[in-house]
Amino acid sequence: KQEVTQIPAALSVPEGENLVLNCSFTDSAIYNLQWFRQDPGKGLTSLLLIQSSQREQTSGRLNASLDKSSGRSTLYIAASQPGDSATYLCAVKTYGNSGGSNYKLTFGKGTLLTVNP
Amino acid sequence: DTEVTQTPKHLVMGMTNKKSLKCEQHMGHRAMYWYKQKAKKPPELMFVYSYEKLSINESVPSRFSPECPNSSLLNLHLHALQPEDSALYLCASSQESGNRDYGYTFGSGTRLTVV
Repeated sequence: KQEVTQIPAALSVPEGENLVLNCSFTDSAIYNLQWFRQDPGKGLTSLLLIQSSQREQTSGRLNASLDKSSGRSTLYIAASQPGDSATYLCAVKTYGNSGGSNYKLTFGKGTLLTVNP
Repeated sequence: DTEVTQTPKHLVMGMTNKKSLKCEQHMGHRAMYWYKQKAKKPPELMFVYSYEKLSINESVPSRFSPECPNSSLLNLHLHALQPEDSALYLCASSQESGNRDYGYTFGSGTRLTVV
Protein backbone atom coordinates (compact mmCIF):
# COMPACT_ATOMS: atom_id res chain seq x y z
CA LYS A 1 0.00 0.00 0.00
CA GLN A 2 1.38 3.39 -1.02
CA GLU A 3 2.04 5.80 1.85
CA VAL A 4 2.99 9.45 1.37
CA THR A 5 4.67 11.48 4.08
CA GLN A 6 5.22 15.22 4.09
CA ILE A 7 7.74 16.99 6.28
CA PRO A 8 7.45 19.37 8.00
CA ALA A 9 3.78 19.37 8.98
CA ALA A 10 3.96 23.13 9.50
CA LEU A 11 6.45 25.81 8.60
CA SER A 12 6.58 29.50 9.46
CA VAL A 13 9.10 31.73 7.69
CA PRO A 14 9.73 35.45 7.19
CA GLU A 15 8.94 36.98 3.83
CA GLY A 16 11.71 36.66 1.25
CA GLU A 17 13.10 33.39 2.53
CA ASN A 18 13.75 30.44 0.23
CA LEU A 19 12.24 27.22 1.52
CA VAL A 20 11.95 23.52 0.80
CA LEU A 21 8.99 21.23 1.39
CA ASN A 22 9.60 17.49 1.45
CA CYS A 23 7.51 14.57 0.27
CA SER A 24 8.40 10.88 0.48
CA PHE A 25 6.54 7.82 -0.77
CA THR A 26 6.97 4.13 -0.01
CA ASP A 27 6.28 2.54 -3.42
CA SER A 28 8.54 3.83 -6.19
CA ALA A 29 6.28 2.39 -8.93
CA ILE A 30 4.52 5.70 -9.48
CA TYR A 31 2.99 7.08 -12.64
CA ASN A 32 3.54 10.71 -11.69
CA LEU A 33 3.65 13.11 -8.74
CA GLN A 34 1.64 16.28 -8.39
CA TRP A 35 2.03 19.20 -5.99
CA PHE A 36 -1.10 21.10 -5.00
CA ARG A 37 -1.84 24.21 -3.00
CA GLN A 38 -4.96 24.53 -0.87
CA ASP A 39 -6.19 27.71 0.77
CA PRO A 40 -8.45 27.30 3.84
CA GLY A 41 -11.86 25.92 2.89
CA LYS A 42 -11.03 25.98 -0.81
CA GLY A 43 -10.31 23.43 -3.51
CA LEU A 44 -6.93 22.19 -4.67
CA THR A 45 -4.87 24.18 -7.14
CA SER A 46 -2.34 22.22 -9.15
CA LEU A 47 1.15 23.71 -8.95
CA LEU A 48 3.42 21.24 -10.69
CA LEU A 49 3.15 17.80 -12.25
CA ILE A 50 6.21 15.60 -12.62
CA GLN A 51 5.99 12.51 -14.80
CA SER A 52 7.80 9.42 -13.55
CA SER A 53 10.43 9.83 -16.29
CA GLN A 54 11.20 13.42 -15.33
CA ARG A 55 13.59 14.77 -12.70
CA GLU A 56 12.15 18.25 -12.15
CA GLN A 57 9.61 20.82 -13.19
CA THR A 58 9.65 24.59 -12.79
CA SER A 59 6.96 27.23 -12.74
CA GLY A 60 7.90 30.76 -11.79
CA ARG A 61 9.30 30.74 -8.25
CA LEU A 62 8.46 27.07 -7.79
CA ASN A 63 10.70 24.14 -8.58
CA ALA A 64 9.82 20.53 -7.88
CA SER A 65 12.23 17.63 -8.10
CA LEU A 66 11.59 13.91 -8.21
CA ASP A 67 13.90 11.05 -7.26
CA LYS A 68 11.73 8.05 -7.95
CA SER A 69 14.28 5.45 -6.93
CA SER A 70 14.61 6.90 -3.44
CA GLY A 71 10.92 7.76 -3.17
CA ARG A 72 11.39 11.49 -2.66
CA SER A 73 10.22 14.79 -4.03
CA THR A 74 10.95 18.34 -2.94
CA LEU A 75 9.12 21.58 -3.64
CA TYR A 76 11.40 24.60 -3.60
CA ILE A 77 9.81 28.03 -3.20
CA ALA A 78 12.06 30.97 -3.91
CA ALA A 79 11.66 34.41 -2.36
CA SER A 80 8.54 33.49 -0.40
CA GLN A 81 5.67 35.98 -0.12
CA PRO A 82 2.74 36.26 2.33
CA GLY A 83 0.46 35.20 -0.54
CA ASP A 84 2.24 31.83 -0.56
CA SER A 85 0.68 31.02 2.81
CA ALA A 86 -1.43 27.89 2.31
CA THR A 87 -1.35 24.13 2.76
CA TYR A 88 0.82 22.32 0.22
CA LEU A 89 -0.15 18.77 -0.65
CA CYS A 90 1.93 16.17 -2.43
CA ALA A 91 0.09 13.39 -4.29
CA VAL A 92 1.40 10.36 -6.14
CA LYS A 93 -0.47 8.48 -8.83
CA THR A 94 0.03 4.75 -8.85
CA TYR A 95 -1.21 1.95 -11.02
CA GLY A 96 -4.37 0.12 -10.02
CA ASN A 97 -5.03 -3.57 -9.86
CA SER A 98 -7.07 -4.04 -13.03
CA GLY A 99 -4.25 -4.18 -15.55
CA GLY A 100 -3.55 -0.53 -14.99
CA SER A 101 -7.02 0.59 -16.01
CA ASN A 102 -7.71 2.13 -12.62
CA TYR A 103 -5.29 4.52 -11.02
CA LYS A 104 -5.18 5.86 -7.52
CA LEU A 105 -4.00 9.25 -6.25
CA THR A 106 -2.52 9.04 -2.76
CA PHE A 107 -2.09 12.26 -0.81
CA GLY A 108 0.26 13.23 1.96
CA LYS A 109 -1.16 15.08 4.96
CA GLY A 110 0.25 18.36 3.74
CA THR A 111 2.57 21.10 4.96
CA LEU A 112 0.92 24.22 6.38
CA LEU A 113 3.07 27.16 5.27
CA THR A 114 2.85 30.59 6.86
CA VAL A 115 4.91 33.42 5.37
CA ASN A 116 5.10 36.38 7.72
CA PRO A 117 5.38 39.94 6.34
CA ASP B 1 -12.09 26.16 -20.38
CA THR B 2 -9.61 24.63 -17.91
CA GLU B 3 -11.85 24.48 -14.85
CA VAL B 4 -13.92 22.07 -12.86
CA THR B 5 -17.05 23.83 -11.63
CA GLN B 6 -18.89 22.67 -8.53
CA THR B 7 -22.28 23.80 -7.30
CA PRO B 8 -23.43 24.74 -4.79
CA LYS B 9 -20.45 26.20 -2.92
CA HIS B 10 -22.18 25.78 0.42
CA LEU B 11 -25.01 23.46 1.47
CA VAL B 12 -26.76 22.99 4.79
CA MET B 13 -29.13 20.04 4.98
CA GLY B 14 -31.10 18.16 7.58
CA MET B 15 -30.66 14.47 8.15
CA THR B 16 -33.95 13.68 6.40
CA ASN B 17 -33.30 15.84 3.34
CA LYS B 18 -32.36 14.79 -0.17
CA LYS B 19 -29.92 17.00 -2.00
CA SER B 20 -27.47 16.77 -4.88
CA LEU B 21 -24.00 18.11 -5.58
CA LYS B 22 -23.10 18.95 -9.14
CA CYS B 23 -19.75 18.93 -10.93
CA GLU B 24 -19.06 20.00 -14.50
CA GLN B 25 -15.99 20.11 -16.72
CA HIS B 26 -15.56 20.93 -20.39
CA MET B 27 -11.94 19.89 -20.84
CA GLY B 28 -12.85 16.61 -22.50
CA HIS B 29 -11.54 14.64 -19.51
CA ARG B 30 -12.89 11.09 -19.42
CA ALA B 31 -12.23 10.33 -15.76
CA MET B 32 -14.07 12.12 -12.96
CA TYR B 33 -13.79 11.72 -9.21
CA TRP B 34 -15.52 12.55 -5.94
CA TYR B 35 -13.36 13.15 -2.88
CA LYS B 36 -14.33 13.92 0.72
CA GLN B 37 -12.11 16.11 2.85
CA LYS B 38 -12.43 16.66 6.61
CA ALA B 39 -10.75 19.60 8.30
CA LYS B 40 -6.95 19.38 8.43
CA LYS B 41 -6.98 16.02 6.61
CA PRO B 42 -6.03 15.14 3.02
CA PRO B 43 -8.79 14.36 0.50
CA GLU B 44 -10.17 10.82 0.60
CA LEU B 45 -11.31 9.14 -2.60
CA MET B 46 -15.00 8.19 -2.76
CA PHE B 47 -15.84 7.34 -6.37
CA VAL B 48 -14.16 7.17 -9.78
CA TYR B 49 -15.98 7.32 -13.10
CA SER B 50 -14.10 6.34 -16.22
CA TYR B 51 -15.80 6.90 -19.57
CA GLU B 52 -19.08 7.54 -17.75
CA LYS B 53 -18.99 4.20 -15.94
CA LEU B 54 -18.40 3.73 -12.23
CA SER B 55 -15.01 2.08 -11.92
CA ILE B 56 -14.15 2.57 -8.24
CA ASN B 57 -16.37 2.80 -5.15
CA GLU B 58 -14.23 3.09 -2.05
CA SER B 59 -16.77 1.33 0.18
CA VAL B 60 -18.84 4.49 0.48
CA PRO B 61 -22.17 4.21 2.39
CA SER B 62 -25.24 3.96 0.18
CA ARG B 63 -26.54 7.30 1.45
CA PHE B 64 -24.10 8.72 -1.11
CA SER B 65 -25.15 7.90 -4.67
CA PRO B 66 -23.03 9.05 -7.62
CA GLU B 67 -24.30 9.60 -11.12
CA CYS B 68 -22.56 10.46 -14.38
CA PRO B 69 -25.22 11.55 -16.91
CA ASN B 70 -22.64 12.41 -19.58
CA SER B 71 -18.93 12.87 -20.05
CA SER B 72 -19.00 16.46 -18.74
CA LEU B 73 -21.25 16.10 -15.73
CA LEU B 74 -20.95 14.29 -12.40
CA ASN B 75 -23.52 14.35 -9.64
CA LEU B 76 -23.48 13.17 -6.06
CA HIS B 77 -26.94 12.49 -4.61
CA LEU B 78 -27.24 12.74 -0.85
CA HIS B 79 -29.95 11.17 1.30
CA ALA B 80 -30.32 10.56 5.03
CA LEU B 81 -26.88 11.90 5.85
CA GLN B 82 -25.37 12.00 9.31
CA PRO B 83 -23.69 14.98 11.01
CA GLU B 84 -20.33 13.21 10.61
CA ASP B 85 -20.79 13.48 6.84
CA SER B 86 -20.21 17.22 7.13
CA ALA B 87 -17.08 17.95 5.08
CA LEU B 88 -15.71 19.60 1.96
CA TYR B 89 -16.67 17.55 -1.09
CA LEU B 90 -14.28 17.90 -3.98
CA CYS B 91 -14.75 16.91 -7.59
CA ALA B 92 -11.81 16.29 -9.89
CA SER B 93 -11.18 15.24 -13.46
CA SER B 94 -8.22 13.89 -15.37
CA GLN B 95 -7.25 12.87 -18.85
CA GLU B 96 -4.46 10.78 -20.20
CA SER B 97 -3.34 11.10 -23.79
CA GLY B 98 -1.10 8.36 -25.11
CA ASN B 99 1.87 8.19 -22.80
CA ARG B 100 1.20 11.61 -21.36
CA ASP B 101 -0.80 12.31 -18.22
CA TYR B 102 -1.88 15.89 -17.61
CA GLY B 103 -2.63 15.47 -13.93
CA TYR B 104 -5.75 16.07 -11.92
CA THR B 105 -7.85 19.23 -11.98
CA PHE B 106 -9.91 19.90 -8.88
CA GLY B 107 -12.98 22.03 -8.36
CA SER B 108 -13.35 24.55 -5.54
CA GLY B 109 -15.53 22.16 -3.56
CA THR B 110 -18.90 22.15 -1.84
CA ARG B 111 -18.87 22.81 1.89
CA LEU B 112 -21.58 20.50 3.27
CA THR B 113 -23.03 20.85 6.76
CA VAL B 114 -25.50 18.23 8.02
CA VAL B 115 -27.65 19.39 10.91
